[in-house]
Amino acid sequence: GAVVSQHPSRVICKSGTSVKIECRSLDFQATTMFWYRQFPKQSLMLMATSNEGSKATYEQGVEKDKFLINHASLTLSTLTVTSAHPEDSSFYICSAWDSAPNEQFFGPGTRLTVL
Amino acid sequence: GNSVTQMEGPVTLSEEAFLTINCTYTATGYPSLFWYVQYPGEGLQLLLKATKADDKGSNKGFEATYRKETTSFHLEKGSVQVSDSAVYFCALRGGGADGLTFGKGTHLIIQP
Repeated sequence: GAVVSQHPSRVICKSGTSVKIECRSLDFQATTMFWYRQFPKQSLMLMATSNEGSKATYEQGVEKDKFLINHASLTLSTLTVTSAHPEDSSFYICSAWDSAPNEQFFGPGTRLTVL
Repeated sequence: GNSVTQMEGPVTLSEEAFLTINCTYTATGYPSLFWYVQYPGEGLQLLLKATKADDKGSNKGFEATYRKETTSFHLEKGSVQVSDSAVYFCALRGGGADGLTFGKGTHLIIQP
């Protein structure tokens, strides 16, 4: 299947700083990528849909100014957690939609810890 | 809105036992249904899917049938192995490029 990478895999930062997470589709072009958040022992929650060349669509309750999404190319979407606080600590997972098999492929996730 | 409910875990079975993980959903229209598996330390992988009523998805000995009348997509396997130990997520998708709605996940533990 198609491969999606995320970088970094793990990041620890101080409260008040910003953190950028990259999501790349390595062997296909993805006009649409998705960002999810997973709390310990809980499900993945869709945060936003990222469309190449346009503004992201955020799910209800997700602050767009807090979680900045940029999808500048067909193989890269970035999520920036601005002014991070301890409650932002979580596992962030991206997926990329491949239209050919009409399937989403998931990245391995990024563990964010805010001190 | 859409929602997915699956049985809480952990589910602990002996090797070669029969497995059922229940999943029911609420959705408008005709969603596609999925089972994803997450092995320890790895990302989510698609296990199987079904895109319309009465479709049966199957892979690696696992099966699930899209039942519209009961809004269910239960996962089954006739004989589990230790290597099947993982977290299993049931999910639905409304349209082709829509995000997924996930259940809470079921942690499956297979003992030798």
